[in-house]
This record gives sequence, structure tokens and C-alpha cells, in this order.
Amino acid sequence: NAGVMQNPRHLVRRRGQEARLRCSPMKGHSHVYWYRQLPEEGLKFMVYLQKENIIDESGMPKERFSAEFPKEGPSILRIQQVVRGDSAAYFCASSPGRREKLFFGSGTQLSVL
Amino acid sequence: QQPVQSPQAVILREGEDAVINCSSSKALYSVHWYRQKHGEAPVFLMILLKGGEQKGHDKISASFNEKKQQSSLYLTASQLSYSGTYFCGTEYGADMRFGAGTRLTVKP
Repeated sequence: NAGVMQNPRHLVRRRGQEARLRCSPMKGHSHVYWYRQLPEEGLKFMVYLQKENIIDESGMPKERFSAEFPKEGPSILRIQQVVRGDSAAYFCASSPGRREKLFFGSGTQLSVL
Repeated sequence: QQPVQSPQAVILREGEDAVINCSSSKALYSVHWYRQKHGEAPVFLMILLKGGEQKGHDKISASFNEKKQQSSLYLTASQLSYSGTYFCGTEYGADMRFGAGTRLTVKP
């Protein structure tokens, strides 16, 4: 049973470009969380999704950021018109249900030049 | 809203003990503990679902005081492999939020 798969591992974008981060949850998991982490800092909650639904996006900036978890395929975190301040590690985690342990992916390191 | 962890950092010698605390200003449904090593993804340690629950494996254990809205992680006879940043996670309604982390360094 493969773990949570995130790709790409590293993503370099120039200011103004779009970044698309993908997360395939573990088999059987319908809950996906996205977190952002700056060096030497904690995991900042961004968005919580269940299949085809956004449950809580209160941690995500209202502009430029969006997330989806379609019926088929991976969850996508999309950042439009990236700025240098978007540079960070983005982790996704999945779980089979609420109040169950989270399994984290290896993260995507986004660098904005 | 996120839980508050203390201390921010701890330095130990091998074999020493440590306690990491996690508290919340709001009622907790559950408390999760994770460890993250540098450059890696966080890894699950344990989850506590009921007030008063205590869990542990190896020499790492945790307790959950629902009334006080806090949890503590206990590391006894620390090993070099325990080094990393420890995060507590709590559920406020639907989502899982993490504390700022406690950086634990175990030295020989």
C-alpha cells in the first residue's frame, strides 16, 4: 500500500507564474489536508477537503490560492501568480476519516525566483 | 486558533527525560502527536481521544487531560533517534491544527 504521494518534490517558478502541487492520498483515504511550512517553523493549516468538497479553507489566502479534490485523481493545490513569499514546503496529509491519524507526504518544496 | 506548545526547544543528553506540553484555549476532541526530522515529513506517534487517556510505546508516552484542555508527551531515557521537532495537533471542529513545535536535540 503506497503512502501519500506528492509531486513534484521540488518546483521552481518565476514570479507571476502558476504553481500546481499534486497529492495522491493513501488508498481508501477520503480526507486530505494541506499545510505550509517555512524553514524552522511549524505546520500552518491551509485547507481540509473530502472527496469533491472543501470542508474548511479558512487557512488559505482568499486570492491566488485554490484547492480541489476531485472524484477521480489527486488533490491539487494551485497557486496563481506566485510571489517570492509563497516559497515554502507544502505538505499534504490524508486520513481515512475524522479523528484518525494523518499520513503525510514527503512535501513539495516551492521556490519562487 | 492553534494549540500552544512548550517549551520551544529542549537539549538533552542521552538517557535523560523530557516533557513537552500542549495546551488549548478551546475544548479538545482529540490530541495527536507527530515527530518531524529535519528535511522529512512528519510521522505519527500517537493519538489520544478521551480525557484521561494515556498511551505509549517504547519509551514515549502521552497523557490527555480533557478538563484542563492539555496534553503532555513524555520521553524517558532519551535516545539519539528521538531528536527532531515534535508537534501536537488538535481538532477545532473540522480541521487539524498544529502547535508551533518543540525542537528536541539529544546529544551523546
